[in-house]
Amino acid sequence: KQEVTQIPAALSVPEGENLVLNCSFTDSAIYNLQWFRQDPGKGLTSLLLIQSSQREQTSGRLNASLDKSSGRSTLYIAASQPGDSATYLCAVTPRRNSNYQLIWGAGTKLIIKP
Amino acid sequence: DGGITQSPKYLFRKEGQNVTLSCEQNLNHDAMYWYRQDPGQGLRLIYYSQIVNDFQKGDIAEGYSVSREKKESFPLTVTSAQKNPTAFYLCASNRPLLGGAGRMNTEAFFGQGTRLTVV
Repeated sequence: KQEVTQIPAALSVPEGENLVLNCSFTDSAIYNLQWFRQDPGKGLTSLLLIQSSQREQTSGRLNASLDKSSGRSTLYIAASQPGDSATYLCAVTPRRNSNYQLIWGAGTKLIIKP
Repeated sequence: DGGITQSPKYLFRKEGQNVTLSCEQNLNHDAMYWYRQDPGQGLRLIYYSQIVNDFQKGDIAEGYSVSREKKESFPLTVTSAQKNPTAFYLCASNRPLLGGAGRMNTEAFFGQGTRLTVV
């Protein structure tokens, strides 16, 4: 059974720092991995999607990497800003499920201090 | 703009009452999903539908029901049989993607959610 873990559960850093959020999964048989952002009381905004054949994806100050063999992904945020404060969720689409459902981590709550 | 619209944003349910959460999409996606989010936990799949007039139970379907009469709409009913319905409910649809070696996979898009509270 696929399980997804995100560490740490919460992170507080000063503005301007570069930071890394971690996501691990137990079964490497995935179609892709997605990173989402969730603001309090809001829905999910897709940040990056990495296909299983890819190693990384970049969007602005965000860079996500995928190491399928070790079951790990990282989300790198450069030059953090207070507006980056949110909960970041990662999710995988397992190959073993024919319904393409997502399996989720519990998220990392990020606070950027001005 | 294409997207997924969930309504209402907030919903209050009395004991023994059924309530229905609306989800509408204009992305022309075949597959739609309902997830439940509880504090400190990952999202969990309630029901999904990969085509009109067909739907399947997810991991936590007990106490919930759905219908899929139109491609654009996938409403979720929280019945009185769901004993702990207070949660944040998220509707999603999947866009087909062509992955490596020509394999199909999908990208998920989400609505803004409905917060359901039992009063």
